[in-house]
Amino acid sequence: ETGVTQSPTHLIKTRGQQVTLRCSSQSGHNTVSWYQQALGQGPQFIFQYYREEENGRGNFPPRFSGLQFPNYSSELNVNALELDDSALYLCASSMDRGGTEAFFGQGTRLTVV
Amino acid sequence: QKEVEQDPGPLSVPEGAIVSLNCTYSNSAFQYFMWYRQYSRKGPELLMYTYSSGNKEDGRFTAQVDKSSKYISLFIRDSQPSDSATYLCAMTLYSSASKIIFGSGTRLSIRP
Repeated sequence: ETGVTQSPTHLIKTRGQQVTLRCSSQSGHNTVSWYQQALGQGPQFIFQYYREEENGRGNFPPRFSGLQFPNYSSELNVNALELDDSALYLCASSMDRGGTEAFFGQGTRLTVV
Repeated sequence: QKEVEQDPGPLSVPEGAIVSLNCTYSNSAFQYFMWYRQYSRKGPELLMYTYSSGNKEDGRFTAQVDKSSKYISLFIRDSQPSDSATYLCAMTLYSSASKIIFGSGTRLSIRP
């Protein structure tokens, strides 16, 4: 098991609602990345936070937003949920942007109905 | 066209067989190449990473990168039922912890 913890593990939301997912990074890691993994697909990069600043963003609309806190934990917020947002959301932490390994949490399974 | 192409399988082999998993990619600027293993209902776990071309061995696992062909492989020797999982190839431009581009994953099943 990695030291990356995500909460909640499962979540069901209704289309149009907003959701907040949380991630605690591994001790000593200052970089957190978020990924979306649809069923049967590989994870897709949403964005990365380094020392509380956004440091790169993938091809996701602005209703996907995030925060990183001084203790390097992070939140992913999704507004105006759509059915296609149903996926496994993964958080990965690493030591600096140029670190040699990203450690993934177990993910949050989001279902939008 | 996807940046990284990976055969989704499923691939089923008998215990003890040699498994070969492959990916092709289109962006010649990729420098770091990784293989992740993902068990059902878990996050991906890094198996191996390689910088640029060449081979890397770790126990029963061997990773190969051929940048001239834009082709990477993972070989598993003496496969075990516990190796049954989805294997994701992945690559990055700058470091193995920067924005990771994943393949779609190959589902592998090792039959006892």
